[in-house]
Amino acid sequence: DIQMTQSPSSLSASVGDRVTITCRASQGISNSLDWYQQKPGKAPKLLLYAASRLESGVPSRFSGSGSGTDYTLTISSLQPEDFATYYCQQYYSTPYTFGQGTKLEIK
Amino acid sequence: EVQLVESGGGLVKPGGSLRLSCAASGFTFSSYDMNWVRQAPGKGLEWVSSISSSSSYIYYAESVKGRFTISRDNAKNSLYLQMNSLRGEDTAVYYCARDLTAPSGVWGQGTTVTVSS
Repeated sequence: DIQMTQSPSSLSASVGDRVTITCRASQGISNSLDWYQQKPGKAPKLLLYAASRLESGVPSRFSGSGSGTDYTLTISSLQPEDFATYYCQQYYSTPYTFGQGTKLEIK
Repeated sequence: EVQLVESGGGLVKPGGSLRLSCAASGFTFSSYDMNWVRQAPGKGLEWVSSISSSSSYIYYAESVKGRFTISRDNAKNSLYLQMNSLRGEDTAVYYCARDLTAPSGVWGQGTTVTVSS
């Protein structure tokens, strides 16, 4: 199974800050990676697919990069609605696996 | 509107069974692989099972293999998860999700399963 290690597990930041979340796979996943945002009591929302492609309707302040085993999600200028939990997920092979999540909190 | 609506969750005793359903609308259900993903209270996301568009390929997480069965009825635009021999660790919100390998991700709102005596 491919293990996804996401860091940090929590992060405090202010509106307007630039933040980066990283995800490392236990083996190469050829950009087969999604990033999700989840707010309390809600279903996850797809932000980026194939590591760097923005899902339709997602603000351009969200971006993704990476290759091989290492991937990053960057939010260029935090907005109040961005405070949530973020997950990476690999779909290179089953079992599809998620990172443990990064809870982004207001400083 | 593209939509997935889960149902069938509830309270069940350890060792019991439950069948979840997911009704799809607004898209050609028969063209997409489908998935179940769960989230235990206060925990992260865990993929449970996948089924291909024509039911030819089915995969399970090790944690549910032999106890859960995924199926679909393309004529009824519906996805199912038959859960047997339920354990406390199966307590979670269960989401159905359209093709986790493609853009335009669609998830349902989730249905809650509680396994407790």
